[in-house]
Amino acid sequence: DGGITQSPKYLFRKEGQNVTLSCEQNLNHDAMYWYRQDPGQGLRLIYYSQIVNDFQKGDIAEGYSVSREKKESFPLTVTSAQKNPTAFYLCASSESGVGRGNYGYTFGSGTRLTVV
Amino acid sequence: DAKTTQPPSMDCAEGRAANLPCNHSTISGNEYVYWYRQIHSQGPQYIIHGLKNNETNEMASLIITEDRKSSTLILPHATLRDTAVYYCDLSSGGGADGLTFGKGTHLIIQP
Repeated sequence: DGGITQSPKYLFRKEGQNVTLSCEQNLNHDAMYWYRQDPGQGLRLIYYSQIVNDFQKGDIAEGYSVSREKKESFPLTVTSAQKNPTAFYLCASSESGVGRGNYGYTFGSGTRLTVV
Repeated sequence: DAKTTQPPSMDCAEGRAANLPCNHSTISGNEYVYWYRQIHSQGPQYIIHGLKNNETNEMASLIITEDRKSSTLILPHATLRDTAVYYCDLSSGGGADGLTFGKGTHLIIQP
């Protein structure tokens, strides 16, 4: 079955470390997104990519980096510059970069990152 | 400011229809209404979306008022597994105009 796979499900980071969250989709979607969700809050857009080898900053890109070398993959690196990285991270994809496919956005199951 | 307003919580008896309201008085002409739900610590699940006509799929029905300033998501026969946070959001497409979600409505289905 097609879908989005995020790994790992739980991740612990020490102060000053960079960590990379994986996001892979086999839906043949052009667009992919990274969101951050804090307890009791909505989603905030970190980065998005509408095509391979191109990506754009979202509302809270500082301290994060991404790459889009393959259509299927959109990894997110949380750098040491991100001062408050503890959160639930969600990856999503959509058709044609416009989110108007029959099923809107498809989300992964999320990665919970904790700084220790 | 949030683009949508939803009640923070609602209860519904199992087997009854759950009607979840959403206000979006500042909706623009090219914005779709999207509904998702999220069970704790899982990724949001797409439910339904619409522009101006009422929509129905295997999960739910979406009723959009004629002026498009509000909508209602209807789960026709709620089950305990429908307990989740339901988000109503607006989007005219992807990219930077993607979904943001607000705090949503915590729907609790009572046995």
